[in-house]
Amino acid sequence: SAVISQKPSRDICQRGTSLTIQCQVDSQVTMMFWYRQQPGQSLTLIATANQGSEATYESGFVIDKFPISRPNLTFSTLTVSNMSPEDSSIYLCSAQGQGNTEAFFGQGTRLTVV
Amino acid sequence: EDQVTQSPEALRLQEGESSSLNCSYTVSGLRGLFWYRQDPGKGPEFLFTLYSAGEEKEKERLKATLTKKESFLHITAPKPEDSATYLCAVQDGATNKLIFGTGTLLAVQP
Repeated sequence: SAVISQKPSRDICQRGTSLTIQCQVDSQVTMMFWYRQQPGQSLTLIATANQGSEATYESGFVIDKFPISRPNLTFSTLTVSNMSPEDSSIYLCSAQGQGNTEAFFGQGTRLTVV
Repeated sequence: EDQVTQSPEALRLQEGESSSLNCSYTVSGLRGLFWYRQDPGKGPEFLFTLYSAGEEKEKERLKATLTKKESFLHITAPKPEDSATYLCAVQDGATNKLIFGTGTLLAVQP
């Protein structure tokens, strides 16, 4: 099983600023995903982080607001740009290996925008 | 469009009272159906992956089953430490995306 480390675990940010969340996996994985989980709700997929190419975004999420990098097979970042209070949420990184039956999650980043 | 529906939304059991959680799904090409446990303030913890109808998997007091339209998570003789939100997700075989249901909040009282 893969171990996923996310940093920071939580942050309080001023509106209009940006925050970059890091996701480090302890082994090479094929797929990495970023999710948002709003209070009391389930997980919503933001985008698939593609190694060496642009991320694939879901409907309602755009690159200018949520730029994603994935420079190698073990690391990805999600930036939440020009934040507003509506961006307050938990952001989760997930990873899955090639042909792997399991998709693992980090512990999440709890973001509060004031 | 891929869709996952979980029921009930919340379930309260007495310790030792067995029950089942339901996950109904529609997906264009199922790569896998995943069950997770999520404790407050933590990321989802992987429990099971099921691939084809008729498949079953067990882990301690939990047993997951799969049909062509739904999955059940059976909890046998639950303990208070089984209290958590249980999430179901399907992976679309064409896009590899995991689509989550809204979860079942399970509370097991001693």
